[in-house]
Amino acid sequence: AQTVTQSQPEMSVQEAETVTLSCTYDTSESDYYLFWYKQPPSRQMILVIRQEAYKQQNATENRFSVNFQKAAKSFSLKISDSQLGDAAMYFCAYRSARTGTASKLTFGTGTRLQVTL
Amino acid sequence: DTGVSQNPRHKITKRGQNVTFRCDPISEHNRLYWYRQTLGQGPEFLTYFQNEAQLEKSRLLSDRFSAERPKGSFSTLEIQRTEQGDSAMYLCASSFPRGNYGYTFGSGTRLTVV
Repeated sequence: AQTVTQSQPEMSVQEAETVTLSCTYDTSESDYYLFWYKQPPSRQMILVIRQEAYKQQNATENRFSVNFQKAAKSFSLKISDSQLGDAAMYFCAYRSARTGTASKLTFGTGTRLQVTL
Repeated sequence: DTGVSQNPRHKITKRGQNVTFRCDPISEHNRLYWYRQTLGQGPEFLTYFQNEAQLEKSRLLSDRFSAERPKGSFSTLEIQRTEQGDSAMYLCASSFPRGNYGYTFGSGTRLTVV
């Protein structure tokens, strides 16, 4: 079974600064997808960024980028130019690419990000 | 289509009562998932449907829990004889069957069993 570990329960960053959230995962599969989700206090989960395991190039979405290290099974999220609206819980998630599976997401326990002035 | 809709947003029930939640997914998505999230934790998989077929259930889903998705559209999750340990946020999500698409989540139903 796959597991996802987020070792930072809470992080804090000043507005306009950069912060990196860590995520490691364990799997025996070679083809999979990784995601970062944001869950603001309103509780609706929002997809922030995704990465296909077969791609070596790190995904970027505006101020959000990842550092995907497949051999190390590491998938960190970097938020640049942090904004007050970035304050939320951030979840790292794994999804198998194997056909015939539920393709369910396996989540980490989350990192609460605070953004200060 | 405005996304995944869940009703009710909040439900308070007495222990031993039955409750039912509803989820309306994005119409183009044929996969529908139910997750449970307790405070300070990540969501945990409960069950999923592809169209109207329930194809996988987690061991977390005891026999007091049942889910349906008639006609492959909306889904319901029923909990019978609720227990205090059932108190959680119940999240519904939908997706395309494969690929790098993430899920689209609803806002969840917050269940409190008193």
